[in-house]
Amino acid sequence: TQLLEQSPQFLSIQEGENLTVYCNSSSVFSSLQWYRQEPGEGPVLLVTVVTGGEVKKLKRLTFQFGDARKDSSLHITAAQPGDTGLYLCAGQYSGAGSYQLTFGKGTKLSVIP
Amino acid sequence: DADVTQTPRNRITKTGKRIMLECSQTKGHDRMYWYRQDPGLGLRLIYYSFDVKDINKGEISDGYSVSRQAQAKFSLSLESAIPNQTALYFCATSDFGVQFFGPGTRLTVL
Repeated sequence: TQLLEQSPQFLSIQEGENLTVYCNSSSVFSSLQWYRQEPGEGPVLLVTVVTGGEVKKLKRLTFQFGDARKDSSLHITAAQPGDTGLYLCAGQYSGAGSYQLTFGKGTKLSVIP
Repeated sequence: DADVTQTPRNRITKTGKRIMLECSQTKGHDRMYWYRQDPGLGLRLIYYSFDVKDINKGEISDGYSVSRQAQAKFSLSLESAIPNQTALYFCATSDFGVQFFGPGTRLTVL
């Protein structure tokens, strides 16, 4: 069983602050995805990273995939109340069960105005 | 219109009742999934289907069954609901690894 550990589990910050969320695994993933989930809705894909060391930017969000493809981080610059939500990382691994995703438990972010 | 829809959105039932949750998609994807989400436990896979004739158990299939009636429809059944099946249930479809989720069904078993 592949496990993804996300940290921190909860994060409450003031508007304008920066933050980083981490996603770690003991296994190598062929790709890793980040989703955001708002209350009353299903998760929505933010980004997919595939190559070790890859960095992707989505406005104020920066995603990085570790060189060994076992970890990833999400950095938010100048957080805004609209960033509030549950952030989930999900890894896809090759072999049996391909195209399945293993989800982390999530980081619940609250941005206080 | 939403690409992945789930019915009902909320359901309260009693222990021992049979419950069916339904999922429909208009994305044309072959792969469909059922997850449950519990606070502090994240999303856990119950069943998945890669096409109409292919059904597979996920991490936590005990107490659940599924039916893939068509490419666009995938239903989840609880034959005899129990309180620890109280959770938020999500259906998802996928194309090349990216998953698209429905809005969820909040199920409460009393």
